[in-house]
Amino acid sequence: AQSVTQLDSQVPVFEEAPVELRCNYSSSVSVYLFWYVQYPNQGLQLLLKYLSGSTLVESINGFEAEFNKSQTSFHLRKPSVHISDTAEYFCAASDNYGQNFVFGPGTRLSVLP
Amino acid sequence: DARVTQTPRHKVTEMGQEVTMRCQPILGHNTVFWYRQTMMQGLELLAYFRNRAPLDDSGMPKDRFSAEMPDATLATLKIQPSEPRDSAVYFCASGLSAQVGTGELFFGEGSRLTVL
Repeated sequence: AQSVTQLDSQVPVFEEAPVELRCNYSSSVSVYLFWYVQYPNQGLQLLLKYLSGSTLVESINGFEAEFNKSQTSFHLRKPSVHISDTAEYFCAASDNYGQNFVFGPGTRLSVLP
Repeated sequence: DARVTQTPRHKVTEMGQEVTMRCQPILGHNTVFWYRQTMMQGLELLAYFRNRAPLDDSGMPKDRFSAEMPDATLATLKIQPSEPRDSAVYFCASGLSAQVGTGELFFGEGSRLTVL
């Protein structure tokens, strides 16, 4: 079974600063990795995912994440954040059979003016 | 605009009362999940249905919680009797079984339950 760790429960950053949200996973099998975003008073939305191929994946709003197998990490980054990026971000993993879908505890990103 | 619909959005009740939360998955989706979100525990999977059959409800306290899918367009989560520790936001999510494993999971806006 997979497990997902997000060491940072809260990350405050100033607007236009870069940010990295950390995610580490453990699994005995190949995994698919995901980042979901939850805006205030809303459900989770898929932000980006790694299934196979290029280890660097991007979202439409400027976030990117890199799959690093040796470090078992899938950190989320953005070079310049906006106020509107304030949300909770969840890293998740599943095995490549689509079973055992597991969410991390979440990281609350607060972008300050 | 296809979306997962959850009702009620907010519910305040007293300890001991029965609470029923409803979810209408996106039309055509055959996989439904119930999650509970709290500050302390984060997102917890309560139950998981495929083609209306429960596949995993190991995360659900069996003595007071029950989850059903009376038909393909309705999933229910019932708590009887409710307790203050059940206060949380309950999310329903749906997807196609062939796509859920690749992250194509669509969440409702949640039902915020407060048990006094």
